[in-house]
Amino acid sequence: NAGVTQTPKFRVLKTGQSMTLLCAQDMNHEYMYWYRQDPGMGLRLIHYSVGEGTTAKGEVPDGYNVSRLKKQNFLLGLESAAPSQTSVYFCASSYSPGQGYEQYFGPGTRLTVT
Amino acid sequence: GDSVTQMEGPVTLSEEAFLTINCTYTATGYPSLFWYVQYPGEGLQLLLKATKADDKGSNKGFEATYRKETTSFHLEKGSVQVSDSAVYFCALSPRGYGNNRLAFGKGNQVVVIP
Repeated sequence: NAGVTQTPKFRVLKTGQSMTLLCAQDMNHEYMYWYRQDPGMGLRLIHYSVGEGTTAKGEVPDGYNVSRLKKQNFLLGLESAAPSQTSVYFCASSYSPGQGYEQYFGPGTRLTVT
Repeated sequence: GDSVTQMEGPVTLSEEAFLTINCTYTATGYPSLFWYVQYPGEGLQLLLKATKADDKGSNKGFEATYRKETTSFHLEKGSVQVSDSAVYFCALSPRGYGNNRLAFGKGNQVVVIP
């Protein structure tokens, strides 16, 4: 049981380049999330999905797009990377929207935009 | 809006010392409250949780009690070990949200010295 996996682990981009981060979970969870973690800022929600084929904006969605074509995968795209998007990105999933259900986190992707 | 405030700055203490990390929250109604821990180079993992007032969450020697009257969820451990060195995040899940969104505090780096 792998839990939540993220690909790649590290990436360096030049300003203006594009890339896609892949998140996969094998727990049959309905809900998936993308966060970014910056020093002194905690985690901030970028986008989330409440089920296959659905996505919604979180707290800091600008400059990112997402897709959830399959229940087990949640993709985060950067169409034109900017230095402000240098961060550590975490994917998470949860079974239910109900209170008290924990989110399971992947190991993170460290992205540097130069 | 819903938010979590953690005490400022890293925490450095000696092995076997008593650890307290303060967490207060602002939320409408009665949220669920969580403590997540992030070990170096890893994603976040749930440490403990409480879903209603006066509940006490506990795990691995850590405890936190949901105090509605003071809107607090302080984390405590009686005798820390070097292996407890990590970043600790307080988080809340607002009641009534259909997406189980989490609002995180900024985190506290804990360093335990042998």
